[in-house]
Amino acid sequence: EPEVTQTPSHQVTQMGQEVILRCVPISNHLYFYWYRQILGQKVEFLVSFYNNEISEKSEIFDDQFSVERPDGSNFTLKIRSTKLEDSAMYFCASSEGRYNTEAFFGQGTRLTVV
Amino acid sequence: DAKTTQPNSMESNEEEPVHLPCNHSTISGTDYIHWYRQLPSQGPEYVIHGLTSNVNNRMASLAIAEDRKSSTLILHRATLRDAAVYYCILRDVGGGGADGLTFGKGTHLIIQP
Repeated sequence: EPEVTQTPSHQVTQMGQEVILRCVPISNHLYFYWYRQILGQKVEFLVSFYNNEISEKSEIFDDQFSVERPDGSNFTLKIRSTKLEDSAMYFCASSEGRYNTEAFFGQGTRLTVV
Repeated sequence: DAKTTQPNSMESNEEEPVHLPCNHSTISGTDYIHWYRQLPSQGPEYVIHGLTSNVNNRMASLAIAEDRKSSTLILHRATLRDAAVYYCILRDVGGGGADGLTFGKGTHLIIQP
């Protein structure tokens, strides 16, 4: 069964450093997403990406965040200058369509900012 | 996307059916009802979705009230592996909906052996 893969599974970084979280969405999917989940809290939408540009972003997705699809397979989330409060699980997801199709999620990257 | 209300937690015994309720009294005509679940330490996983008619798949059944203001996710024979947080989410396909899924707190399903 096709799956969304994320690397690394765990990343520890110092406050103020840049991090890049990587995802390989399912190959025939057109919509890509990043979500985050702070420990013990809800899963929160960050951004959606379609046709090589951001389709929608939440209030959380400020200028410190950026996304990119550098080639035909990878989808990345960059955090320019990490803060302690960026510590969370980050989930990548992809779907064939926009609204009425299932989203497939990766296993997540646990980001710890120290 | 319209709001949903779910119980915080439910408990069931292994190999028995589980009925997880969801209220969505402000649902619109273009809202689909989606269910996802999140097993411990994993990403969310799609379970099922529907619009008006009841739906069945290999994982579960979705029963939708006639007025669509509530729905029930049915796990026919719960296993320990079904212990997870279950999320009921409305998706507006009418063009005005958000791209991303709006997760609430969901229902924490506990399965007793």
